[in-house]
Amino acid sequence: AQTVTQSQPEMSVQEAETVTLSCTYDTSESDYYLFWYKQPPSRQMILVIRQEAYKQQNATENRFSVNFQKAAKSFSLKISDSQLGDAAMYFCATNGGSGTASKLTFGTGTRLQVTL
Amino acid sequence: EAGVAQSPRYKIIEKRQSVAFWCNPISGHATLYWYQQILGQGPKLLIQFQNNGVVDDSQLPKDRFSAERLKGVDSTLKIQPAKLEDSAVYLCASSLFGSSGNTIYFGEGSWLTVV
Repeated sequence: AQTVTQSQPEMSVQEAETVTLSCTYDTSESDYYLFWYKQPPSRQMILVIRQEAYKQQNATENRFSVNFQKAAKSFSLKISDSQLGDAAMYFCATNGGSGTASKLTFGTGTRLQVTL
Repeated sequence: EAGVAQSPRYKIIEKRQSVAFWCNPISGHATLYWYQQILGQGPKLLIQFQNNGVVDDSQLPKDRFSAERLKGVDSTLKIQPAKLEDSAVYLCASSLFGSSGNTIYFGEGSWLTVV
């Protein structure tokens, strides 16, 4: 079984600044992926970035990057040059497990506010 | 490319009534998921289909919840009878296959309020 912990219920960042959202996880799987999803008020889950556990290089997607520390089971999301449209709930998730390899386990989320 | 479609978007029912939610996944996606998201929590998987077969329904409250995907495309999630604690957003999602590397795409969800 996998568990995902997000210890920051809320975070705030000023527009154009950088913010880091924390996530730790636990899994017994050797083959797994890690994800950050964004959920705006519409409630649709939108994939922000994903990391393959066997890759040491941290994933990046434009203004979004991760700091993946496999030994520490840590997977933080850095948002650079924050924009008003980045305001949303952010969920960290992992998958894995034979038979249901794609099943996602989510954390409780971090609400990101972006201020002017 | 059309995304995952869900209906209805919003539903308010009284406890002990029944409700059904419909989902149409992205064309060609073999794997379909139903997640339940209670306010203040992350989504929790209720059931996963691979084509029209069930892969995982370990967290589905089978005494009141049922789901089907008869032709391997559309799916319906039913709750009967509903309880107050079933108030949540029901998210349908799909992926090309059920392997861990596949991206899972979500619909906008069906909001259920049980009064």
